[in-house]
Amino acid sequence: DVKVTQSSRYLVKRTGEKVFLECVQDMDHENMFWYRQDPGLGLRLIYFSYDVKMKEKGDIPEGYSVSREKKERFSLILESASTNQTSMYLCASSLFGRTSNTEAFFGQGTRLTVV
Amino acid sequence: DAKTTQPNSMESNEEEPVHLPCNHSTISGTDYIHWYRQLPSQGPEYVIHGLTSNVNNRMASLAIAEDRKSSTLILHRATLRDAAVYYCILRREYGNKLVFGAGTILRVKS
Repeated sequence: DVKVTQSSRYLVKRTGEKVFLECVQDMDHENMFWYRQDPGLGLRLIYFSYDVKMKEKGDIPEGYSVSREKKERFSLILESASTNQTSMYLCASSLFGRTSNTEAFFGQGTRLTVV
Repeated sequence: DAKTTQPNSMESNEEEPVHLPCNHSTISGTDYIHWYRQLPSQGPEYVIHGLTSNVNNRMASLAIAEDRKSSTLILHRATLRDAAVYYCILRREYGNKLVFGAGTILRVKS
């Protein structure tokens, strides 16, 4: 069974803390994505990566950075967490290349609360 | 990126077919039409995708208009477990981005 695993289901952090959200996939996928989901705003793409050490900004990258040192792992970093980053964070992965074979698989999400 | 337009919400009765529409009037020739759904408290899951021809799989059918400016996801017999947010997404042939719109909230009544 294919799997995208996010390290925590629930996380509570303090304002100003550095926060790491980890995502691991076991499907040897080239593409990995980070989204946040907020009520009324839907799923918004933060960053994605199409290869190790490669990254591209999504629609809302401000306040976030990412790291992809190994193919299977994609980390989302909040350098200094703020309350407006309280959200559900979702990681996904897919194969690179022709979208006829690039179904994306999602993790269960991490609900981050910044207090 | 080409945009999609979906109704905010729809309602269906259990055991009846559901037709979820999506408009994508600015679709380009290399855009695939993908559908995902998100069940409550879960991450999105892939449903189906197509390019020009209608497509069927075990979950649903996808009907694509001849001019490709619209498509319809068809659930043949809705169940309570099909209650979810359904997203219609356009994705380039070699594109890596996967960008979601607001989606359609499907409610299924017993």
